[in-house]
Amino acid sequence: NAGVTQTPKFRVLKTGQSMTLLCAQDMNHEYMYWYRQDPGMGLRLIHYSVGEGTTAKGEVPDGYNVSRLKKQNFLLGLESAAPSQTSVYFCASSSDRGLNIQYFGAGTRLSVL
Amino acid sequence: DAKTTQPPSMDCAEGRAANLPCNHSTISGNEYVYWYRQIHSQGPQYIIHGLKNNETNEMASLIITEDRKSSTLILPHATLRDTAVYYCIVRNSGSARQLTFGSGTQLTVLP
Repeated sequence: NAGVTQTPKFRVLKTGQSMTLLCAQDMNHEYMYWYRQDPGMGLRLIHYSVGEGTTAKGEVPDGYNVSRLKKQNFLLGLESAAPSQTSVYFCASSSDRGLNIQYFGAGTRLSVL
Repeated sequence: DAKTTQPPSMDCAEGRAANLPCNHSTISGNEYVYWYRQIHSQGPQYIIHGLKNNETNEMASLIITEDRKSSTLILPHATLRDTAVYYCIVRNSGSARQLTFGSGTQLTVLP
């Protein structure tokens, strides 16, 4: 059981480049989330989705876009990367039934030079 | 979500029980206590949750005081791999919302 899988694990970008981070979950969860974690700080929610075809903004959405075309996948896009987006990105998913326990992926470490 | 207070750091000897406290004096009746941990450079990991009663699973035990204003996470036989930051989170169940991780407790298990 893979749970939540994030690709890639590491990436280095130059300022202005674009990229897409992929999150896939095999738990049939309705809810999916993208967080970022800066050094020594807590997680901050970027965007989230409550179901296929729906997305919503979190605490820090600027500079990011997301898409949820399939229930199992949640994509995070950076159209024009900036050094301030250097961070570790975590994806999570949770069921819409019960206690909304979130299960996290291993993270993507992104450096923007 | 109710505010939580945890000690910033704790040490525990390998093989001994680790008892991590959390204060949540403003908890409301329908809010649950959740515990997560984050091992260095990894994603947060769910450990356990509870409402009123004490709970136990394969990872840990959760003791909630009768007035629900505080709780203790117990790792019965700590190993080096339990070294991590432990987060106590109090929130309602249900809808999709951000998990707010506070500062947590850095638990260091010593050999």
